Amino acid sequence: DAKTTQPPSMDCAEGRAANLPCNHSTISGNEYVYWYRQIHSQGPQYIIHGLKNNETNEMASLIITEDRKSSTLILPHATLRDTAVYYCIVRGTASNTGKLIFGQGTTLQVKP
Amino acid sequence: ETGVTQTPRHLVMGMTNKKSLKCEQHLGHNAMYWYKQSAKKPLELMFVYSLEERVENNSVPSRFSPECPNSSHLFLHLHTLQPEDSALYLCASSQGGGRAVETQYFGPGTRLLVL
Repeated sequence: DAKTTQPPSMDCAEGRAANLPCNHSTISGNEYVYWYRQIHSQGPQYIIHGLKNNETNEMASLIITEDRKSSTLILPHATLRDTAVYYCIVRGTASNTGKLIFGQGTTLQVKP
Repeated sequence: ETGVTQTPRHLVMGMTNKKSLKCEQHLGHNAMYWYKQSAKKPLELMFVYSLEERVENNSVPSRFSPECPNSSHLFLHLHTLQPEDSALYLCASSQGGGRAVETQYFGPGTRLLVL
């Protein structure tokens, strides 16, 4: 699976959009981009995933660049409860099992 | 709530004790996973079960023994653990047999402390 690079930390004001970047320059054509988050000492929570097209659900939007080498997770109106570590994970069908390889992620601090 | 429950949520055990962690998923999934998260470290996959068969064991010491009696339940039996085994143990499930592109849903975890 391709490796990802994320900034270690970001701040965001409450009510504003939080834009979390992820670089995955070695991504291959059959690899998906997944985002999870982990609030302190809880289990990771699935947010969204995509292959090529931009995706949106009730939690967030995922913008993938045309060359697929980077993506941005957007939380449109961040709240204090969105403070968490956000993980960008690239996974493909080449893997034999559903192994999720979590890196260090981005610690997002939403401030009042 | 993700539909994956874990009990107990917290566990303190001595090195000579035997205990079990339980995971139950209410999502109708057919693959289940155990992960370990030590302090300041990323999650590490321990075991994968697909259709109740173990399909992956990531060089986990034998003092950890998984059991998957059916597709809804997963256990992790613990015996003669070491203090360095203290961690957050997470269970996850997915639909599709444990393949790479399935979405996994995690339980809240069991915080284990080995004294």
